[in-house]
Amino acid sequence: NAGVTQTPKFQVLKTGQSMTLQCAQDMNHEYMSWYRQDPGMGLRLIHYSVGAGITDQGEVPNGYNVSRSTTEDFPLRLLSAAPSQTSVYFCASSYSWFGADTQYFGPGTRLTVL
Amino acid sequence: SQQGEEDPQALSIQEGENATMNCSYKTSINNLQWYRQNSGRGLVHLILIRSNEREKHSGRLRVTLDTSKKSSSLLITASRAADTASYFCATEQRGGSQGNLIFGKGTKLSVKP
Repeated sequence: NAGVTQTPKFQVLKTGQSMTLQCAQDMNHEYMSWYRQDPGMGLRLIHYSVGAGITDQGEVPNGYNVSRSTTEDFPLRLLSAAPSQTSVYFCASSYSWFGADTQYFGPGTRLTVL
Repeated sequence: SQQGEEDPQALSIQEGENATMNCSYKTSINNLQWYRQNSGRGLVHLILIRSNEREKHSGRLRVTLDTSKKSSSLLITASRAADTASYFCATEQRGGSQGNLIFGKGTKLSVKP
């Protein structure tokens, strides 16, 4: 099992550009989520999904869009990048939405917006 | 909104010593988890403690939970250089959104050989 994979590992964007961060898991997990991590901060939840076709907003959803057409994939789209979106982005998955389930994290995407 | 707050922010110890990190939270929880993050990597789950549990062990890890004080501690015994990492607590709020964990800001642990 590859676990949770994320691409790209690094990305530099100019203000106003759009892009998609890819996330995939091969563990047949129902629950997937996106977090951002800023220096000196914990992880903040952007969007999450409890199953294919179902998504919802987390704590900091503005400027991001998600969809979940398959169980395996959960891409995060930046609609019009802003410098405030410079961060490290982590995708995570767990077997179910049950909060006691272990979350498995991807290696992260380091995004810089100029 | 940050639920968990770890203390201290940074901790530096010698190999073989014990490391204790604390986490305080604000609202009632269903469970609390601890994660480790090595530099430049994703988070790795360490241990979960449920709201009706007071103490849990896993190898060199010992976690306590005091729901009356809304706090938890993570003890790493006989630390090793490989334990150098940031440690985060994450809580599942009672009545919160399905499956969502709220992470603290973390404690950065440095274990010197």
